[in-house]
Formats: sequence, structure tokens, C-alpha cells
Amino acid sequence: NAGVTQTPKFQVLKTGQSMTLQCAQDMNHNSMYWYRQDPGMGLRLIYYSASEGTTDKGEVPNGYNVSRLNKREFSLRLESAAPSQTSVYFCASGRQQDEKLLFGSGTQLSVL
Amino acid sequence: GDSVTQMEGPVTLSEEAFLTINCTYTATGYPSLFWYVQYPGEGLQLLLKATKADDKGSNKGFEATYRKETTSFHLEKGSVQVSDSAVYFCALNQAGRRALTFGSGTRLQVQP
Repeated sequence: NAGVTQTPKFQVLKTGQSMTLQCAQDMNHNSMYWYRQDPGMGLRLIYYSASEGTTDKGEVPNGYNVSRLNKREFSLRLESAAPSQTSVYFCASGRQQDEKLLFGSGTQLSVL
Repeated sequence: GDSVTQMEGPVTLSEEAFLTINCTYTATGYPSLFWYVQYPGEGLQLLLKATKADDKGSNKGFEATYRKETTSFHLEKGSVQVSDSAVYFCALNQAGRRALTFGSGTRLQVQP
């Protein structure tokens, strides 16, 4: 099915471990995004990529890095996980920055 | 900066009841307004949108009208079903801005 695919769906890390969340879209969208969702706070933008080869910080970028590997793929890396990064992470893509977004099904991350 | 405020949930209704979920926004200029829905275990999906004042977005029996004078975009449905149980997010986007700004979400529970 066409859309946005995120892996893994679930992950448990210990404090200080690293991991990469993968995201791929097959909609030929230019823009891709990483959001985190926390109770009572809605979705907050971590990083985004307006086009292949460009990335920019969002509202809460500290502790994360991203790579726009090609037009399809946008990965999010936690270099040294902290309990404050326990959250649900969503990748999204869109044709243009101000158009509707298509979301992946999310990654539930717990940092112990 | 831009912000979106939604009524706190959960909102619990009986099947066939009338639904209103309030959303107000703060933004300069003339943003586009959106309602997204998140069903259990899934990513967000666009429900409806409106791009200018007095526009009415509608989809699946849901409606919302862009009210610039009250800076509001309240979501309504005349008769809810159990299958409408989900979390609803109001969001805005300013032309030229990097990404959507989301509200904190409102959980709707519809009982048979």
C-alpha cells in the first residue's frame, strides 16, 4: 500500500543507548517530518526536510539528529537516549510544506 | 508565535449524539486550518481543512467553519457513531512556514 512506513513499531532502550528510527514514503513527496507525541502536548516538530538534501530544526531538536538519505527516506537518530525521550514518534510527508500531511503509524519508544 | 488551543477531553457521548469539539487559534495573517483524526494504534489522518475565512470543510459527516472574527474552527457532527471514537487534532499552517502547528488533541469516546 502506498504511504509512509516507519520502523520499528516498538522499541525499549536503556539510558545512553543509541538507535535510528527509519521512515520511507513512496508518494514522491518533497517534504518529510519527524514529530513526537506526548500526553497533553499534542504533536511537536523535531526536524523536517523541505527537500532532498536539506534538513532543519523544529521545535524540539535537542538530542536528535536526522538524515534525508534520498527523496524517499528520512531517518531520526538518538545518539544517547534519555528517559525524557520516551514518546511516540511519527514520521510524515507532504507534497509541499503547506499542504496536508500523510503520517506513518508511529514508533512507541521507551527509555528506561 | 502561532498556537492552537483545543478543549480538553475525554469527551464521552452516546451513539447518535451531537458532537462539538472546540478549537481556537492564534496566528498572524491568514492560516489554513485542519482537523486530523487518530484512530487507536494508527497515525494521524487528515479529516478536513479550510483555507480561508468562512470556508466550511466537511468529510464523513464532520464539518468545521473557518471563523476569522472569533479565530475558531470548531468540529461538529450531527450524529456520532462508535466508530468515531478517536483522538481529534486541530492544526494550522501559515503560508511559507515550515510545518503544521498542532493542538494538544481531544479524545472522543462514543458509547453504544
